[in-house]
Amino acid sequence: KAGVTQTPRYLIKTRGQQVTLSCSPISGHRSVSWYQQTPGQGLQFLFEYFSETQRNKGNFPGRFSGRQFSNSRSEMNVSTLELGDSALYLCASRVGSSGGEKLFFGSGTQLSVL
Amino acid sequence: GESVGLHLPTLSVQEGDNSIINCAYSNSASDYFIWYKQESGKGPQFIIDIRSNMDKRQGQRVTVLLNKTVKHLSLQIAATQPGDSAVYFCAENIRGGGNKLTFGTGTQLKVEL
Repeated sequence: KAGVTQTPRYLIKTRGQQVTLSCSPISGHRSVSWYQQTPGQGLQFLFEYFSETQRNKGNFPGRFSGRQFSNSRSEMNVSTLELGDSALYLCASRVGSSGGEKLFFGSGTQLSVL
Repeated sequence: GESVGLHLPTLSVQEGDNSIINCAYSNSASDYFIWYKQESGKGPQFIIDIRSNMDKRQGQRVTVLLNKTVKHLSLQIAATQPGDSAVYFCAENIRGGGNKLTFGTGTQLKVEL
């Protein structure tokens, strides 16, 4: 069974631009979560989607948004990029949306904002 | 002050020895815990999980111990191998806090030959 797939693997953008990251969950998984990982803040929760609905949201500005499609694939968008948005963005999936389920991560998209 | 980066605690062990990585949590409402391993350039990889109604769980070469009295979690790796070198994170799910995981800062495990 294929794991969580994230594209692109690396991305370089400039301040003010916007970016869209893509995530394909493990087959059969309906929940997709996004995390931001930086050396300064560690791993921080962005949001979770289940059956195309946002179930939970972390403490990030409105510039960070996401969506989930009917096939469970998810996209994350960051608008008006800032230097501090440089990070590894990780997508994770699990079967359902209840707490207490294993969460499986992709390899991430490394975003560099210049 | 401004953070310039998380200082990861480092644990250095000899190949073949047992490793113990510790994690403290503060929320008594945490009901589920997971350990992840992250190698350079990769996403976190699931190792083992434990629910709050358990004290111990074993996997292949790994054991997780949960002490709810002192809010402490540990990961034991038996016969540590060079391939175990990575950053290890504990994460908790807080009951009633949505389904997000809250991650610890991580511990760098270095296996010396």
